[in-house]
Parts: sequence; C-alpha cells; structure tokens
Amino acid sequence: QKEVEQDPGPLSVPEGAIVSLNCTYSNSAFQYFMWYRQYSRKGPELLMYTYSSGNKEDGRFTAQVDKSSKYISLFIRDSQPSDSATYLCAMRLNSGYSTLTFGKGTMLLVSP
Amino acid sequence: SAVISQKPSRDICQRGTSLTIQCQVDSQVTMMFWYRQQPGQSLTLIATANQGSEATYESGFVIDKFPISRPNLTFSTLTVSNMSPEDSSIYLCSVAGQGSNQPQHFGDGTRLSIL
Repeated sequence: QKEVEQDPGPLSVPEGAIVSLNCTYSNSAFQYFMWYRQYSRKGPELLMYTYSSGNKEDGRFTAQVDKSSKYISLFIRDSQPSDSATYLCAMRLNSGYSTLTFGKGTMLLVSP
Repeated sequence: SAVISQKPSRDICQRGTSLTIQCQVDSQVTMMFWYRQQPGQSLTLIATANQGSEATYESGFVIDKFPISRPNLTFSTLTVSNMSPEDSSIYLCSVAGQGSNQPQHFGDGTRLSIL
C-alpha cells in the first residue's frame, strides 16, 4: 500500500459545480496536510495548509482532515474554468523540518 | 511567500552531458529542497540543502549523480550529471519559511529532456 493514494482523474465538471478532491494515507503519524494547485508548465502553488483534524476555509476552498479515517479532502465551490489544474495533496510528520509525502495529483477540468 | 526563480526553465541535452539548475530566492531561507516530478508519479524529494553543510540525499539519489551546492541563504544549484534519457523530468526547487513547521513553496521548475 502506498503511503498516499490519490485518484489521478481526470475529473471533469461543468462550471459552477462543487468539486471534491480526496486523498487517503496510511501513516497515522502525519500531522500537517497541504493541498497544492499546479497549472501546466508551472510549479505547485500552496492552496491550503492545515494541522491535525478539522476544517479550514479560504474563499471558495475548504480543506477537511479526518485523521481517524486517514482521509483528507479539498472542496471547491462554484468551480471556474480557471480552477482547471492538477491538485496535489501532501502531508508530513510533526517534527520540525520533516519531508513532504505527496499524492500523485488529480487533474481537474472545469468546462464553461 | 518567497519568490523562487529557477533557471533554466527548460533545456534539451545530449546523453552523457551535465546540466546545472539554479534556484534563487528573494529572501533568506533555512531549508531548500530539490524534487523530481515525472509523468504520472508523485513529487519525489532528491535532497535537502542547508547552507553551510552537505546536502542530505534521499534513498535512491547519490551525490555523484546529483551534486548540490548551497553557498548562501538565498541560492542553491542542482547538477544532473552524466545524463541519460531516464533523467528526463521536471526538477523543482522548494523552500520552507523561517521557523519549523512552515509550509514549502515551489519554483516553476526546470523541464529537462535528454536525447
């Protein structure tokens, strides 16, 4: 079993839809959880950064962490064509500068 | 967050040659990281570079193949040595903010193709 599992997609939705992106993981010691957005020919851009379980909201984006289920989600409300990108989940231990473990990324396509 | 500039943005190289990738940050950072991103694969950490000390390499990556320099708190280089087609990939520089538990931010990467 890989440490972080993420459906590669592509996930195609119409403009205005609510998008749900998910990752599961196996290491219960992960404490910090991140979502990155990566446009074609660009580097990953940090969207959300959360610690432990719970929800975090930033504009149209909501990150959820369920540590009991080892499951994290990113919700995008009122999706826009500009949201079309690959979304990477990442996580790490709670020990200072520990390294990140990434999912493979989910490609999202939002059609107008 | 820090502004991270990578050079070159892309290159096409011949088998057996070496290429040095530069990463410049607009502020001082403690930790700099080098990743490889291959199609359909997770970002893979190559090494962590701290200023004033030897880089720490992840399993599967060695200094002879990927020598790294970190001469100051705003700059690092990664060299891909004796390249083969298997080295064709995107190479990404990343930095962590000052203080522990800070998130990492990435440059736009270097797209490298080996013929």
